[in-house]
Amino acid sequence: GQQVMQIPQYQHVQEGEDFTTYCNSSTTLSNIQWYKQRPGGHPVFLIQLVKSGEVKKQKRLTFQFGEAKKNSSLHITATQTTDVGTYFCAGLNSGYSTLTFGKGTMLLVSP
Amino acid sequence: DGGITQSPKYLFRKEGQNVTLSCEQNLNHDAMYWYRQDPGQGLRLIYYSQIVNDFQKGDIAEGYSVSREKKESFPLTVTSAQKNPTAFYLCASSIQGTRDKNIQYFGAGTRLSVL
Repeated sequence: GQQVMQIPQYQHVQEGEDFTTYCNSSTTLSNIQWYKQRPGGHPVFLIQLVKSGEVKKQKRLTFQFGEAKKNSSLHITATQTTDVGTYFCAGLNSGYSTLTFGKGTMLLVSP
Repeated sequence: DGGITQSPKYLFRKEGQNVTLSCEQNLNHDAMYWYRQDPGQGLRLIYYSQIVNDFQKGDIAEGYSVSREKKESFPLTVTSAQKNPTAFYLCASSIQGTRDKNIQYFGAGTRLSVL
């Protein structure tokens, strides 16, 4: 079956430090999406990557999709306390109509 | 104000009881989904529906049932056959037929506990 692995499971950083979470799929993906869930909240869509090798930026967040379309990363530069939450990747396989979510990376930022 | 509304926010189930979680959307989305979230487990798909009067099982459908009689509504019933129902339940919807299909818009969730 489809599997999407995400690491690390948890990371605690000091405000101002960088943060990266990685996502790996057992199969080639059509696209990959990233979501953020604040503590006590619900997941909110951040971005979708479709093309091989694609890189997209949203302010301090940089998203990459691997050349083989089997892995992805989210990098946050100079974390802020507002970045606290769990970041999920979700992959869509060709021929499937549903996403497979990774287990998420919980980010804690200390001031 | 468009969005997805889930109710109730908190729900308690007694042993042997069926309970129904409500999910309503006014985004005019064709597809709707139910996920279960447990600590450290991410989101697992229970059921999904891409069109009215049709739905498919997800990865963990046992002990759950759904209906899709209207485009706007996709209620989830947690039956007594679900032996470990305590979890956070999330409903989502997505548009179909465009490059943005499968982008999920989530409701605020329902926290279900067993008494």
